[in-house]
Amino acid sequence: IVLTQSPATLSLSPGERATLSCRASQSISNSLAWYQQKPGQPPRLLIYDASNRATGIPARFSGSGSGTDFTLTISNVEPADFAVYYCQQHNNYYRFGQGTKLEIK
Amino acid sequence: EVQVVDSGGGLVQPGGSLRLSCAASGFTFSIYWMAWVRQAPGKGPECMATINPDGSEQYYVDSVRGRFIISRDNAKNSLYLQMNSLRGEDTAVFYCAKFGGRYYFDYWGQGTVVTVSS
Repeated sequence: IVLTQSPATLSLSPGERATLSCRASQSISNSLAWYQQKPGQPPRLLIYDASNRATGIPARFSGSGSGTDFTLTISNVEPADFAVYYCQQHNNYYRFGQGTKLEIK
Repeated sequence: EVQVVDSGGGLVQPGGSLRLSCAASGFTFSIYWMAWVRQAPGKGPECMATINPDGSEQYYVDSVRGRFIISRDNAKNSLYLQMNSLRGEDTAVFYCAKFGGRYYFDYWGQGTVVTVSS
């Protein structure tokens, strides 16, 4: 199962809404997680099981989807949110997508 | 507070060996699956090796099977990765990671850098 993330780069201004997509090559039910990674840091778990926020994650982060199409939404992007975002699935050795870079416009 | 501290990286020649260590605290180490995840420069993370809570089951991605060995010492709350026959393509940041559920990782070490070069 291959995960394809889009877009590769998303340019937004603080306060805007970010919508990141992750598509699986076949159905993975709701077994999808999202991570945020900043330079020089390990990935940070944001969302698991497609829509459950991890401990301490702000409510502006939300996940949705099931089957093959998943979305991570950041409702009001803050300066600290500019980073690379990865989706990850439970199959094929817990494979990660190639990432979406959220950059400041 | 959960802490995962990985160490042991460095510069090694192709064909050489290296042993990574991970010290865990703040949770009951002995009941969780653990993993080593690596990230090559400019690439996404890749889970290479996993181990079950009592250490009796280990799983590896094809690219490292037969060269890397994951192990743990629950008495010391520690995870290890013995890497042999290292190749240039093994160059990466290696993270020790704790499984939070069936497939996702809820805590990660800060990473240790492994560079394979002559």
